[in-house]
Amino acid sequence: DAKTTQPTSMDCAEGRAANLPCNHSTISGNEYVYWYRQIHSQGPQYIIHGLKNNETNEMASLIITEDRKSSTLILPHATLRDTAVYYCIKRTSYDKVIFGPGTSLSVIP
Amino acid sequence: NAGVTQTPKFRVLKTGQSMTLLCAQDMNHEYMYWYRQDPGMGLRLIHYSVGEGTTAKGEVPDGYNVSRLKKQNFLLGLESAAPSQTSVYFCASSSYQGSSLAFFGQGTRLTVV
Repeated sequence: DAKTTQPTSMDCAEGRAANLPCNHSTISGNEYVYWYRQIHSQGPQYIIHGLKNNETNEMASLIITEDRKSSTLILPHATLRDTAVYYCIKRTSYDKVIFGPGTSLSVIP
Repeated sequence: NAGVTQTPKFRVLKTGQSMTLLCAQDMNHEYMYWYRQDPGMGLRLIHYSVGEGTTAKGEVPDGYNVSRLKKQNFLLGLESAAPSQTSVYFCASSSYQGSSLAFFGQGTRLTVV
């Protein structure tokens, strides 16, 4: 079975970059990697997504390895408000959205 | 620009009572989803719909029914509520076109006593 692996939890000092890894045992050519986060039981919030190329938006950067089986979400200057659970999801546009356990990121003052 | 709206936001039910949660989206999305989230756990998919008039089971469908009579609405029903259904329920929608981002509602906190 295809499996997505993320660390259970991570800490990051406020103001430093937070690097959150994600690994997929398999990934198809038409599957995108999406990142969402959930802040304290609010509805999940979209952060960024990518297919092959690295991506950057106002919230974060996404680095995808050449084989596409690994990606890293980078929050360049973490703040206390970035404390959340971060979910990495691979899917095509026709797939339903299934969540794994995610990574609980704690930003430390 | 409402996005995904869930009603109600909070509800307390007695065991055996029934209720319906409403999800409405104004983005003309084809796909809609219902999830539950228990304390300290991730989101689990209950049911989903890929279009008006269609529904399908997700990971944890037992005890729930759904209907998608209109494209913009997705209803989640509990026919006979049980304490095990105490949870936070999230609705989401997405399109199969473009970037296919999923947008989420703010949740319904349901307590069954």
